[in-house]
Amino acid sequence: EAGVTQSPTHLIKTRGQQATLRCSPISGHTSVYWYQQALGLGLQFLLWYDEGEERNRGNFPPRFSGRQFPNYSSELNVNALELEDSALYLCASSLEVVREGQPQHFGDGTRLSIL
Amino acid sequence: AQSVTQPDIHITVSEGASLELRCNYSYGATPYLFWYVQSPGQGLQLLLKYFSGDTLVQGIKGFEAEFKRSQSSFNLRKPSVHWSDAAEYFCAVAASGGYQKVTFGTGTKLQVIP
Repeated sequence: EAGVTQSPTHLIKTRGQQATLRCSPISGHTSVYWYQQALGLGLQFLLWYDEGEERNRGNFPPRFSGRQFPNYSSELNVNALELEDSALYLCASSLEVVREGQPQHFGDGTRLSIL
Repeated sequence: AQSVTQPDIHITVSEGASLELRCNYSYGATPYLFWYVQSPGQGLQLLLKYFSGDTLVQGIKGFEAEFKRSQSSFNLRKPSVHWSDAAEYFCAVAASGGYQKVTFGTGTKLQVIP
């Protein structure tokens, strides 16, 4: 069974540009989660999508947005990039919402560097 | 809202020694609890999870964790550490009975010395 896949592995942008990160969940998983892991800040919850809908959002500005496609893959878009957006962005998927006790399975992340 | 605390930012143990990583959570009812491990440059891998039932949970790679309701703790243990266990470990909590986002601790970085 293929795991969660994220692309690209690395992404280098400059301030003010826009970045698009992609995630393919494990087959059969309907929920996709995005996290930001900046140096020294742990995992910060960004977004949760389930069945194509945004279900929950972390404390991030609106320039962080995303969507989930009918095949359950997902995109994270970051507009007007700032230096502090440099981080590892992790995507996770699960079978159902976590209330059913399904753990999240993580991809290896996209390393976004802002110059 | 739930929260989780990992009081140890960094721990160093000798190879072959026992290990205990601490995790304390805050939640009014019985939560779902998880331990994940992250090797450098990689995503998080699930080590074990607790939902209900037996309070001692066995995971992969020889790890186990014990849920102690009275202490609001879910400490991770391993009887004999291997050099390959050097990584960062995250405890996570999710509320039961209705969706709440998973909350991760800040992580404990484990260094293993020969």
